[in-house]
Amino acid sequence: KQEVTQIPAALSVPEGENLVLNCSFTDSAIYNLQWFRQDPGKGLTSLLLIQSSQREQTSGRLNASLDKSSGRSTLYIAASQPGDSATYLCAVSNDYKLSFGAGTTVTVRA
Amino acid sequence: DTAVSQTPKYLVTQMGNDKSIKCEQNLGHDTMYWYKQDSKKFLKIMFSYNNKELIINETVPNRFSPKSPDKAHLNLHINSLELGDSAVYFCASSPQPGVAGEQFFGPGTRLTVL
Repeated sequence: KQEVTQIPAALSVPEGENLVLNCSFTDSAIYNLQWFRQDPGKGLTSLLLIQSSQREQTSGRLNASLDKSSGRSTLYIAASQPGDSATYLCAVSNDYKLSFGAGTTVTVRA
Repeated sequence: DTAVSQTPKYLVTQMGNDKSIKCEQNLGHDTMYWYKQDSKKFLKIMFSYNNKELIINETVPNRFSPKSPDKAHLNLHINSLELGDSAVYFCASSPQPGVAGEQFFGPGTRLTVL
């Protein structure tokens, strides 16, 4: 059974600081890994999708790396802004489904 | 245009009632899912349908019955609602069942059972 862990559970940083969010998973036989953002009371917005054959993906200030053999992914957010405050969820796909971590709740202080 | 839509957004009901949540996607995807997010914010898959066929059923009480009238719609019917069913239910879709593609989520339905 796939288990996904996200560390830390919560993070508070001043504006402008870089964010580093970690995700680990127990079964390395994955199709892909997806990072999502969830704002309070809202749905999930897909941020980045990394296929199992890729090592990283970038979109604007976001960069996600994947080390499938060690079961780890890291999401980097450069030069954080108050608008980046949200919960970030990591999800891995195998066996025809996504397994989610519990999320990292980020607060960026102005 | 909304890619994945759900109705209703909020649902408040009494224990023992039967209720339905509807989901529609206009992305042309073959595969749709229902997820449950509990009070601790954990998201867990409940069901997956590919082209109207059930492919995943994750240890969900049989009071929950999904129905897919066509590949753009996946509805969730819940019988005899219990307090523990209170949660946010998310619908999602993806291009294919192998989940090699990206999943797109609806806005969620917050169900409160009193």
